Amino acid sequence: AQKVTQAQTEISVVEKEDVTLDCVYETRDTTYYLFWYKQPPSGELVFLIRRNSFDEQNEISGRYSWNFQKSTSSFNFTITASQVVDSAVYFCALSEAQITGYSTLTFGKGTMLLVSP
Amino acid sequence: ETGVTQSPTHLIKTRGQQVTLRCSSQSGHNTVSWYQQALGQGPQFIFQYYREEENGRGNFPPRFSGLQFPNYSSELNVNALELDDSALYLCASSMAGTSRSYEQYFGPGTRLTVT
Repeated sequence: AQKVTQAQTEISVVEKEDVTLDCVYETRDTTYYLFWYKQPPSGELVFLIRRNSFDEQNEISGRYSWNFQKSTSSFNFTITASQVVDSAVYFCALSEAQITGYSTLTFGKGTMLLVSP
Repeated sequence: ETGVTQSPTHLIKTRGQQVTLRCSSQSGHNTVSWYQQALGQGPQFIFQYYREEENGRGNFPPRFSGLQFPNYSSELNVNALELDDSALYLCASSMAGTSRSYEQYFGPGTRLTVT
C-alpha cells in the first residue's frame, strides 16, 4: 500500500524567509508520480507540480523549487523569500501507475504554512 | 478553458437523509474522481468514473455511489447520511489516455455538514 507522510503539521515564518516543506512517501511500485498541491482558505486544490519516478532532476519555478531524492523516498518543496500570499495548506500526493489505466492520488495530511508580514 | 465546477458550494443535511453533489469536469477531460476531505486531513479517494462507469473505488461503503454522464459531468450520491460524512467533497477531472493522465485538476469543493 502507498503512503505519504508530511511530518510538519504547521510552520510559521516571517515574510522573506525561506521555508522547506517535507514529504516522505512509501510505495512498492517502481513507476509512480509525485505531486504537490496548494489549498488556500477557499478550499480549492491548486496543482503545483508533478514528478515521475524516473526523473530525479530538481526543478525550479520562480520562488518554488522541488528536491526529489529516490534514495530517501523524499520529495521536498522549498519556497524562497516567502510572501503572505503563500499562506495555505500544502499537500504532497502520490499516484501509482495502474495497469487498469485508472490512477488515484494518495495524499499526506498536509502542512499549514503561515507567513506573517 | 473552463475549469472544474461543483455545486452546491455548501449544504446542510440531517442524519439519515440523502444528498447529491454535482461536478462538471474541465473542458477536454473525460475522467472524474471524487475525494472526501475531513477537517484537518488530506483528501481521501472515494471513486473514479471513466466512460460512464466506475473505474476504481477507495475504502468507502456502498451508500456512496456515483454517476457519470455522456458530457463527462458527474454526481456523487450519499444515502443514509451519518455525522462523520461532514466534510469537504472535492471533484477532480483528468484526461485518461494521454501523457498527462495522472494530473488531476480539482474543483472548489462542496462543504457538507450533517447535523
